[in-house]
Amino acid sequence: AQKVTQAQTEISVVEKEDVTLDCVYETRDTTYYLFWYKQPPSGELVFLIRRNSFDEQNEISGRYSWNFQKSTSSFNFTITASQVVDSAVYFCALSEGYTGGGNKLTFGTGTQLKVEL
Amino acid sequence: DGGITQSPKYLFRKEGQNVTLSCEQNLNHDAMYWYRQDPGQGLRLIYYSQIVNDFQKGDIAEGYSVSREKKESFPLTVTSAQKNPTAFYLCASSIGRQYNEQFFGPGTRLTVL
Repeated sequence: AQKVTQAQTEISVVEKEDVTLDCVYETRDTTYYLFWYKQPPSGELVFLIRRNSFDEQNEISGRYSWNFQKSTSSFNFTITASQVVDSAVYFCALSEGYTGGGNKLTFGTGTQLKVEL
Repeated sequence: DGGITQSPKYLFRKEGQNVTLSCEQNLNHDAMYWYRQDPGQGLRLIYYSQIVNDFQKGDIAEGYSVSREKKESFPLTVTSAQKNPTAFYLCASSIGRQYNEQFFGPGTRLTVL
């Protein structure tokens, strides 16, 4: 069975600090995808990134970066120079594909990030 | 603008009543999903549909029902058989190919009194 663990329930930082959100996953599939979503206080989940199991290159998008390490089954997310607007709950998710299309996501329990002035 | 709409944003119902949550998308996505979110927890899959007139149970389907008569619409009914229906419900959709990201609606917060 697939599983995603986000051990950090809540993180508080001061603005401009760097912060890393941890994600560890379990799967028996050889082909899988990993995702990060942001859930601001409004409630809607916002897609941030998708990564496939064959691509271990790190990804950088502005202040966001992701480190995928297959050897440790981890897909960590770093925010550089955090801002108050980054305050949200962040979810890591793992995908298994279904025959015929579609996509089932297994979510972690999320990490609440609070960025204070 | 393309997107997913859910209505209403807040819903209150008396215990024992069935209630239907609306989900509409104009993204031309084949697959649609319903999730439930409880405080401090991740999202759990209730039902999903890969094509019109077809849907499958997710991890927590008991007490829920769905229909998929149109590509754009995937309503969720919370029945009186659902033991603890108070929660935040999120609808999502994705392109039908495997592993594509899901896009989410704004959610409906259901409170059963």
